[in-house]
Amino acid sequence: SYELTQPLSVSVALGQTARITCGGNNIGSKNVHWYQQKPGQAPVLVIYRDSNRPSGIPERFSGSNSGNTATLTISRAQAGDEADYYCQVWDSSTNYVFGTGTKVTVL
Amino acid sequence: EVQLVESGGGLVQPGGSLRLSCAASGFTFSSYSMNWVRQAPGKGLEWVSYISSSSSTIYYADSVKGRFTISRDNAKNSLYLQMNSLRDEDTAVYYCARDPGSSSYRFDPWGQGTLVTVSS
Repeated sequence: SYELTQPLSVSVALGQTARITCGGNNIGSKNVHWYQQKPGQAPVLVIYRDSNRPSGIPERFSGSNSGNTATLTISRAQAGDEADYYCQVWDSSTNYVFGTGTKVTVL
Repeated sequence: EVQLVESGGGLVQPGGSLRLSCAASGFTFSSYSMNWVRQAPGKGLEWVSYISSSSSTIYYADSVKGRFTISRDNAKNSLYLQMNSLRDEDTAVYYCARDPGSSSYRFDPWGQGTLVTVSS
């Protein structure tokens, strides 16, 4: 089965850049989507198909995908960006797969 | 405004059954594939099941295959999840989520979730 690995936590200073990685075998050949989940709330899509932002998502959120790693980048981090972030792909053998999740803390 | 509202969660004993519902509004429900995704307390997200717009294609996660049944009623703009033979490990918040189009294989938006607790 296909697996996605994320760091458990990432800390970033206010106004600085956070990078969250999502590792998977040849993930660069797949479309990667990213979700933000704040405590007690449902997840929200923040990046789709590697690097596209849905309407209403700030330009500070960006994504890339190559080789065995996809990356979600949060520029000029704000206190409101504190949340859990999950990557997700579709795999023909496993169907939908989520990453293990990363807790982002803004210091 | 696109809205998904889940209902039907609650406390059930191991081995019991529960039926979840998801009421959709603000979009043409019959044109979209739908999913159920769950999240155990303090854990990550786990996809549960998928149903295409016409119900012709259905997928299940291995963890629920043979116990859960996904269905939909396009006339009622509603999605369902029939859960049988429930186990402790099925305890989770269950979210319904739309596939935004053309089998994009992503989830947008999500409902607010309904909590299912399996315990004796």
